Amino acid sequence: GESVGLHLPTLSVQEGDNSIINCAYSNSASDYFIWYKQESGKGPQFIIDIRSNMDKRQGQRVTVLLNKTVKHLSLQIAATQPGDSAVYFCAENFGAGGTSYGKLTFGQGTILTVHP
Amino acid sequence: DAGITQSPRHKVTETGTPVTLRCHQTENHRYMYWYRQDPGHGLRLIHYSYGVKDTDKGEVSDGYSVSRSKTEDFLLTLESATSSQTSVYFCAISEVAAEAFFGQGTRLTVV
Repeated sequence: GESVGLHLPTLSVQEGDNSIINCAYSNSASDYFIWYKQESGKGPQFIIDIRSNMDKRQGQRVTVLLNKTVKHLSLQIAATQPGDSAVYFCAENFGAGGTSYGKLTFGQGTILTVHP
Repeated sequence: DAGITQSPRHKVTETGTPVTLRCHQTENHRYMYWYRQDPGHGLRLIHYSYGVKDTDKGEVSDGYSVSRSKTEDFLLTLESATSSQTSVYFCAISEVAAEAFFGQGTRLTVV
């Protein structure tokens, strides 16, 4: 079936460095791609999303890039801080809208560890 | 957590017993979802609702049923709990946009 996966299961960086978390997807019909952050013992927290008709979207310290040619999604975190340490999930939403909103297919997750 | 309350937060139950998890939202969002999270599988959709009394199956719906009699409440029932249903269960809500907002989760252990 369709799936969303990640290239690297763990990523360790130093405080202040930029982090890049990658994700591969297989369903070219996906409408939205979303990044979530999950801290220990908590539910996933929405970070940023991008529509399939966009290549790049920026938020506060985060940028998501979408390369539809190679079906690749990445999350860039600028000036990574210890508070950014968490598991990061990419997710895709496919379907024609309507009842499919929020029906997400998640990747396995990448553990980001930020060292002071 | 976007006005989402899951109850209980932790539960231990015996194999074969029925279990109901509750999700309550104060955001008046139309869509509600139940996901389970397991090591090695990430989050997987169990059931979802796109309106009062309107529900449908997700990827891993076997052994689960849901009900939504009010906009704010979405119940997940395990008719006869099995050890394979030991997991962390997350409720999520969304409105028109695709992103879903998640609750804090319910840790269920079936012994």
